[in-house]
Amino acid sequence: DAKTTQPPSMDCAEGRAANLPCNHSTISGNEYVYWYRQIHSQGPQYIIHGLKNNETNEMASLIITEDRKSSTLILPHATLRDTAVYYCIVRVGYSGGGADGLTFGKGTHLIIQP
Amino acid sequence: NAGVMQNPRHLVRRRGQEARLRCSPMKGHSHVYWYRQLPEEGLKFMVYLQKENIIDESGMPKERFSAEFPKEGPSILRIQQVVRGDSAAYFCASSRSRDRGQPFTYEQYFGPGTRLTVT
Repeated sequence: DAKTTQPPSMDCAEGRAANLPCNHSTISGNEYVYWYRQIHSQGPQYIIHGLKNNETNEMASLIITEDRKSSTLILPHATLRDTAVYYCIVRVGYSGGGADGLTFGKGTHLIIQP
Repeated sequence: NAGVMQNPRHLVRRRGQEARLRCSPMKGHSHVYWYRQLPEEGLKFMVYLQKENIIDESGMPKERFSAEFPKEGPSILRIQQVVRGDSAAYFCASSRSRDRGQPFTYEQYFGPGTRLTVT
């Protein structure tokens, strides 16, 4: 799986959009970008994933650059409950291709300020 | 639709005892993954199982750790002769089945974890 780089921490004011960047310059054509988050002491929570098109669901939006070397997770109206560690993970999207476990890096600790 | 269930949520064992952690996947999921999170560290993949099969155990310590996912019942992560360094949060995740060789994007859903403390 390709390596990802994220800032260690970010602050965002409550009610504003939180934009979390991720660099994955060595991503290959069959690798997807996944975002998970872990709220303190809880199990990780899946947020969103994408291959090359921008994606949106009820939780967030994912913007992937045209060259796919970076992406941004957008939480449109951050609340205090969005304070968590956010993980950007790149992985192959074909079964039987090896380990299927997710590789979690250090992530970005997003702190929503009241 | 119940999520991934893990029990117990907290487990205290003395050094040398055995720890058994249980995981029931989401309804309709037949793939189970175990992860460990040591204090102040990130999540590390341990093992990936399907019903009655271990698919990938590349992250499992070579000794004292074993996992199973029987045809009936929950997946079990077993740690024999626990030591203080085994104290950690153990998370289980599940995902749906997929056709071999076909593109998959089946995200993993995590349980609340079992916090193991070895005294």
